[in-house]
Amino acid sequence: GAVVSQHPSRVICKSGTSVKIECRSLDFQATTMFWYRQFPKKSLMLMATSNEGSKATYEQGVEKDKFLINHASLTLSTLTVTSAHPEDSSFYICSARGLAGVPDTQYFGPGTRLTVL
Amino acid sequence: AQSVTQPDIHITVSEGASLELRCNYSYGATPYLFWYVQSPGQGLQLLLKYFSGDTLVQGIKGFEAEFKRSQSSFNLRKPSVHWSDAAEYFCAVVPLNNNDMRFGAGTRLTVKP
Repeated sequence: GAVVSQHPSRVICKSGTSVKIECRSLDFQATTMFWYRQFPKKSLMLMATSNEGSKATYEQGVEKDKFLINHASLTLSTLTVTSAHPEDSSFYICSARGLAGVPDTQYFGPGTRLTVL
Repeated sequence: AQSVTQPDIHITVSEGASLELRCNYSYGATPYLFWYVQSPGQGLQLLLKYFSGDTLVQGIKGFEAEFKRSQSSFNLRKPSVHWSDAAEYFCAVVPLNNNDMRFGAGTRLTVKP
């Protein structure tokens, strides 16, 4: 199946700093990318959806100024957690979809564990 | 309200025993249905999916799921559980009018020797 990578897999940062997480579709063009957040022993919560070249659509309650999403190319999306705080510590998972309107082409990255000290 | 529900937070079964994980959904039209497995600290692996047609779906690793429209359910089953099946299992849906995938709360499976 298609491969989605995330980098870094783990990151530890100090409170107040910004962290960028990359999500790449390695062998297909992702027209849409999704960012999820997962708290320990909890489910995945959709944070935002981004289409290449467009502004991301954020879910209710997700601060768009805090979680900056850029989807500048068909193979790369980035999530930047700005001015991170300990409550932002979580497991962030990206997902990429190729063909528009075909739900089974959504592939998930391995996740990035963010720890904010 | 639209939702996908996994009633069981944690299930423990003995190795070799059968398994059934429950998933119910509440949507106006039957959404696309998925089951994923997540090992600790890992991403998601698709086990199987249902779009239409035969209501009994075969997946990887010996899993199957049955879609029951009358019960709005899509339960995951395995006849004989292996220790390596211990993981978190998520039911997910993609509504027909919205391509965003939504997840149930997950069921954590523990396998006893």
